[in-house]
Amino acid sequence: DTGVSQDPRHKITKRGQNVTFRCDPISEHNRLYWYRQTLGQGPEFLTYFQNEAQLEKSRLLSDRFSAERPKGSFSTLEIQRTEQGDSAMYLCASSFGTGNTEAFFGQGTRLTVV
Amino acid sequence: QQQVKQSPQSLIVQKGGISIINCAYENTAFDYFPWYQQFPGKGPALLIAIRPDVSEKKEGRFTISFNKSAKQFSLHIMDSQPGDSATYFCAASSSFSGGYNKLIFGAGTRLAVHP
Repeated sequence: DTGVSQDPRHKITKRGQNVTFRCDPISEHNRLYWYRQTLGQGPEFLTYFQNEAQLEKSRLLSDRFSAERPKGSFSTLEIQRTEQGDSAMYLCASSFGTGNTEAFFGQGTRLTVV
Repeated sequence: QQQVKQSPQSLIVQKGGISIINCAYENTAFDYFPWYQQFPGKGPALLIAIRPDVSEKKEGRFTISFNKSAKQFSLHIMDSQPGDSATYFCAASSSFSGGYNKLIFGAGTRLAVHP
């Protein structure tokens, strides 16, 4: 499969625990995005990487959130001290080139904080 | 000004009918307008996209109509099928926002096509 891959697909965690999600973009894609989607809403932009550089972070990304993309390949999104409000689908997308090119989404990681 | 407003929230169409979903935007810097289809438990999948230099784009049963002066665009699904039952999202982005595809999504339309 050559699409965007996310792992795990589902994660249940207790409030206060740390969680980490992984995204493997389409191999030649230099751009990687993280979005968050809550039930009944459209995805909301969280952060953007061009190669290994994190170029924009949304105000939605509090200090408890950190994202990395070492070597410009896969990316990780870590949430520290999870709260119930963090429960959502976390989506990764990737695209290639410059300007507004097609962004392809992964299947997402569904996080439930109990 | 970053908002994209989508309507209706839900839509029921008979098999073979036409499904129409509308979106409106405020930011005149938006210059890329994709539509995504999402099934439960899956990520959004790109259906069709348009740029403001054309007023209409058709791919198979899916057509985007774009009205630049009204700042509106719509998705038409012709000959709707039960397999089209999903949530549809319009989105918009600006090439001026750092030159990358930061998508602003509408709230979604849940489409049900009845046989």
